[in-house]
Parts: sequence; structure tokens; C-alpha cells
Amino acid sequence: EAQVTQNPRYLITVTGKKLTVTCSQNMNHEYMSWYRQDPGLGLRQIYYSMNVEVTDKGDVPEGYKVSRKEKRNFPLILESPSPNQTSLYFCASSPAGQETYEQYFGPGTRLTVT
Amino acid sequence: LAKTTQPISMDSYEGQEVNITCSHNNIATNDYITWYQQFPSQGPRFIIQGYKTKVTNEVASLFIPADRKSSTLSLPRVSLSDTAVYYCLVGYSGGYQKVTFGTGTKLQVIP
Repeated sequence: EAQVTQNPRYLITVTGKKLTVTCSQNMNHEYMSWYRQDPGLGLRQIYYSMNVEVTDKGDVPEGYKVSRKEKRNFPLILESPSPNQTSLYFCASSPAGQETYEQYFGPGTRLTVT
Repeated sequence: LAKTTQPISMDSYEGQEVNITCSHNNIATNDYITWYQQFPSQGPRFIIQGYKTKVTNEVASLFIPADRKSSTLSLPRVSLSDTAVYYCLVGYSGGYQKVTFGTGTKLQVIP
């Protein structure tokens, strides 16, 4: 089944403890993105990647890191999480060569930083 | 990327047709218009996209006037399961994927 998977789905952590949220897609897509969603603010893009080793900042990159060493994986790294990073996070992927924003989203990771 | 403006919320009764309009005055020549649907605590799901005139699929229709400064998503005969947030996006993916979703329109379908 074609899908985007994220792990973990739920995470409660403490301020300053490094964490990684994994994202994997099995559709051989070139493009991958990370978003965060907060009440009243909609979906905001954190980082995106156009292919292996090619990443760029979205609208809210501060406090996050990403890497794209393999085409299928795009982990999101919070090196020193803070309470303002408590949010619902989504990973998405899409194929290159299209003129649209048809992205496939993962199920989401709900992160709480205390 | 062109900025979009949508109503914050809408209510509709079951069985009615719902039209959600998105304003995008600064749309560029190469931009496409894309709509997504999102249920609570789920990732958005692609519904429909178009460039001009009318596009229809099994889920919705998209109407785009000649000046392309707005677009209207039409959902025929909505049911309770259509209660969701609907996002309008405008842009041309080309070689990049910087995306701005905006806050969307929350549609509440009433029995």
C-alpha cells in the first residue's frame, strides 16, 4: 500500500531532550516536507526537500533540523525541544514533474514538550 | 507564492450543494489552484486541482473564472462525513515545494 508513515505517533518529552521524528514513504517520491499544525494557525511548512541531500527552509524552520540521506526517509530533528514546539506534526511527499501541489500526508505525530 | 483568502467557516445542511470561494488576486501565470480536505487529527487529503475554467472529479468540481483571481470549490449534496477543513493553495511546484496552506475554511454539515 502506498503510504507515508511517521513514528512515533504520540510523544511526550521534556524541554531540552533531543528527539527525532521519523518519516518514510514507499512511493519513490522526490519531494518531502514537514509541517506543523497549531490551533488557529493552520498548517505551516517547516522544511522541505527536493531530493537526496537537497533541503530548504519553509516558513518556520527555527528550532528544527532535517536530513535527507535516503530518498524514502526524511527525519525531523529537535535538538533542544521547547514548550512552544508542542504541536501536531505532519510529513508529506509528492512526485517531481507535476505542476500541482498534490502531496501525500502521513498520519501525524502529536508532540508535547513540558 | 500567491496569498489566498477564504471564509473562516461555513455551515450547510445535509444534501445541499456547498460552494467555498477562495480569493487569490496575485496569482501568477504558471500557478495552479489546488484544494485539500482535512479531518480532525488527520493529514490533509488532495481533492482537486485546476488551471482554468472547470474541473470535475468524483468528489468535487472546481470553477475558475477567466481572470483566475478567485476559484470556487463545489461539493455536491454534502453529507455529515464532509465536515472538515478545506484549504485552497495556489502555486507552481516546478522545481521546488515551498507551500503555504493558510488557515482554511471549516465546513460544518448539519443533519
